[in-house]
This record gives sequence, structure tokens and C-alpha cells, in this order.
Amino acid sequence: ETGVTQTPRHLVMGMTNKKSLKCEQHLGHNAMYWYKQSAKKPLELMFVYSLEERVENNSVPSRFSPECPNSSHLFLHLHTLQPEDSALYLCASSQDGRGGSNQPQHFGDGTRLSIL
Amino acid sequence: DQQVKQNSPSLSVQEGRISILNCDYTNSMFDYFLWYKKYPAEGPTFLISISSIKDKNEDGRFTVFLNKSAKHLSLHIVPSQPGDSAVYFCAARSGGSYIPTFGRGTSLIVHP
Repeated sequence: ETGVTQTPRHLVMGMTNKKSLKCEQHLGHNAMYWYKQSAKKPLELMFVYSLEERVENNSVPSRFSPECPNSSHLFLHLHTLQPEDSALYLCASSQDGRGGSNQPQHFGDGTRLSIL
Repeated sequence: DQQVKQNSPSLSVQEGRISILNCDYTNSMFDYFLWYKKYPAEGPTFLISISSIKDKNEDGRFTVFLNKSAKHLSLHIVPSQPGDSAVYFCAARSGGSYIPTFGRGTSLIVHP
């Protein structure tokens, strides 16, 4: 299996539930990202992990909690979400470019999250 | 304040004609630019990129032009095909960061 895989593809949850989104990459990349895509908005960067260390957290509410146990896996733990959190959540990976190379990000197909 | 702007939310083109998607940026530190294509129910896929040391990069039917003085880039698709119908995202990043900034996207529809 190659590329970036996200599970589940669709998730419906109540505001009091706890769930997790999973992302797995088989590209040998050392950086992984979570993005949120809402209708008619730019891709919003949420978190960045490089070499399993969180390097960016874009003022994301604490009800979103990322976890990167190794360079191939990334999780987004969700709890007590709000209706406005309904969106497409995209995972991406890349080489972090510290060697000077310009490498694009590779995206998964996303998890469509609906909060009831 | 958006640093990467795609001011046209949608574009409609006849099959076989040229599609031109535009992107403007405000950060003069940006030195690498990318275009991604996104189909419904799929993640964005990388299409083509350009470094600020160039003003043109071509890959098959896709050409990206960069005008640094105007802080403007454009993606040309010629000839356009119905399979090109998708949302196109412009992205930019600076040498000090490997993390890109994305525009809102432009939805391209190519009519048969």
C-alpha cells in the first residue's frame, strides 16, 4: 500500500462523543500535517509534526488533540466538538525540506466529519 | 489577512480551449509556488510547481507562469479536457519554511 491513507472516510458524532481520526503514510516522509477544509475557505493548517515532534499548532482549540507515535502515523483525537467543527479533515505528509529540496505535500482523501 | 489569494471562485471553459487560473500573493518572502488539483471526495494532488528563480515551468498540457514584480502566478491548461474539471489550489512557501500557505481554490468546469 502506498501514499497517504486516512480512516475513517466519514464520521458522524455527537458533541459529547470521543473519536479519533487516523492517518498513515507509506512514503518515507518525515513531516505530517493536519488540515481542516470548510466550505469556501482556504485549507486551514492545524498541526505539523516533523520527526515526530510537534512544530506548529495554529491556535487550534484543545478539543482537538494530535498524536504522532512514529513518522508513519498521525492521529487526531476529538472530544466535545461543536457543530462548527463539521468539515473535511485532511492529512498530508512531506519531506520537511531542511536539506534544501522542494518537495510537495502528499494528501490523503480526508475524513468528512459531521457533528450533530 | 490572506497571503495567497485566488479571487475567482469558479471558471467555466469549453473543451479544447485554454483554461487560465490566477493566483496573487502578498508575501515577498515566498520563493516556491505550487498548484494542486482536487476532485470531490479525494484529497488534493500535486500538479506542478515553480521556483522564484524561474518565470515559467511546463509539464505537458500544464504551464505555470510567475511574475514576481506583480506577485502573480497563473496556471494555463491547454487544451482543456472534461477530466480537468476540479478545484485548483494555489500554494506558496518561503525558503525558511517547508509549510505552504494555500489559497481558497478555484473550481474549474470544462464543458464537452
